[in-house]
Amino acid sequence: EVQLVESGGGLVKPGGSLRLSCVASAFTFSSYSMNWVRQAPGKGLEWVSSISSTTNYIYYADSVKGRFTISRDNAKNSLFLQMNSLRAEDTAVYYCARGATYYYHSSGYYYPIDYWGQGTLVTVSS
Amino acid sequence: QTVVTQEPSFSVSPGGTVTLTCGLSSASVSTNHYPTWYQQTPGQAPRSLIYNTNTRSSGVPDRFSGSILGNKAALTITGAQADDESDYYCVLYMGSGISVFGGGTKLTVL
Repeated sequence: EVQLVESGGGLVKPGGSLRLSCVASAFTFSSYSMNWVRQAPGKGLEWVSSISSTTNYIYYADSVKGRFTISRDNAKNSLFLQMNSLRAEDTAVYYCARGATYYYHSSGYYYPIDYWGQGTLVTVSS
Repeated sequence: QTVVTQEPSFSVSPGGTVTLTCGLSSASVSTNHYPTWYQQTPGQAPRSLIYNTNTRSSGVPDRFSGSILGNKAALTITGAQADDESDYYCVLYMGSGISVFGGGTKLTVL
């Protein structure tokens, strides 16, 4: 069964940095695009970032662009999210999620999600 | 600022049919937005239901169906069951690799 296990969350001060990891198993990781989606406490879901299987295509939400960096290591079946200049509003559970397939339209790719991890909590507070 | 709109809450009787919608604040939703739907129960990770307007994810029963109704995307649940009581989120693709989630609909089965 497909498994996605996130780690790296925790408490960090405003302006600080954190690196999230997601280890995938039971599928050919290098063949799939991946996503990060977050959910602030008691709030809805927010798409954060996507990366294609070969890292050729990377996208970010405006709310994190310039501060967050998505990356992957296909040899280690791992997805990462480097988060810098963290703000209180970045406090959320961060989910790693697999892209089911891909669609190209309007100058970009869309990767709808089929599998989700259980999430890791990031708290930004002084 | 693009806003994806969903009903904040909805209720359905057990065995009944309910249609949740997903719209845009300043445009019509089309298949080019690749409407996608997720289900989430409190404290759990989301579950994928529908993508590309009407393609069911693996293991999703055919009680769940997706469509375009008028100028919105729609998720229809037929024969509602108690364990369908969840939050439902739609997401629309906006182009240039950007996706936007709606605020979610809290569905009550009673």
